[in-house]
Amino acid sequence: AQSVTQPDIHITVSEGASLELRCNYSYGATPYLFWYVQSPGQGLQLLLKYFSGDTLVQGIKGFEAEFKRSQSSFNLRKPSVHWSDAAEYFCAVAHKAAGNKLTFGGGTRVLVKP
Amino acid sequence: NAGVMQNPRHLVRRRGQEARLRCSPMKGHSHVYWYRQLPEEGLKFMVYLQKENIIDESGMPKERFSAEFPKEGPSILRIQQVVRGDSAAYFCASSPEGASNQPQHFGDGTRLSIL
Repeated sequence: AQSVTQPDIHITVSEGASLELRCNYSYGATPYLFWYVQSPGQGLQLLLKYFSGDTLVQGIKGFEAEFKRSQSSFNLRKPSVHWSDAAEYFCAVAHKAAGNKLTFGGGTRVLVKP
Repeated sequence: NAGVMQNPRHLVRRRGQEARLRCSPMKGHSHVYWYRQLPEEGLKFMVYLQKENIIDESGMPKERFSAEFPKEGPSILRIQQVVRGDSAAYFCASSPEGASNQPQHFGDGTRLSIL
């Protein structure tokens, strides 16, 4: 069964500082990879996705993620965070062999200090 | 706004009552997914439906839970005889095709509270 691990439950970062959120997956083949963001009381918004090709993926809101097959990782980064980036971030995977359902990590809550 | 619409946004039920959660997919989307988010946890897949068909219900509890996506109208997630442990946020997502590389678009969820 596929699984997704986000090792950091909470991260606090100062406004303007860089941010990196970790995501590791466990699956026999390369799955499709996604990052979603959830603001309080809201649904999930897709930040970016990786299917194939260039391993560095650009997303919305200035986010990017890098797929590293050797490490089974898909870490999310942003060079300079804004106060509006405070939210919860979810990494998710999908694979044809497992159907079309998304398997989510437990999420990382990001707090932004002024 | 042609996004995924869920209603109600908040639903309060007493133990033993029924809860009905509705989801209208994005325009042009014929595939619907339901996920449950328990407090302080990530989202867990429940069921995947196409119009009039349940494609994958591997995440649905064996009892009290059912889902449908009729030819006309929204998808419905139904929970009978609710218990405290059903308190959670229920999210619906839709996609244009049932392919793993199609991003799913999420609604704002229904927050279910059981008294």
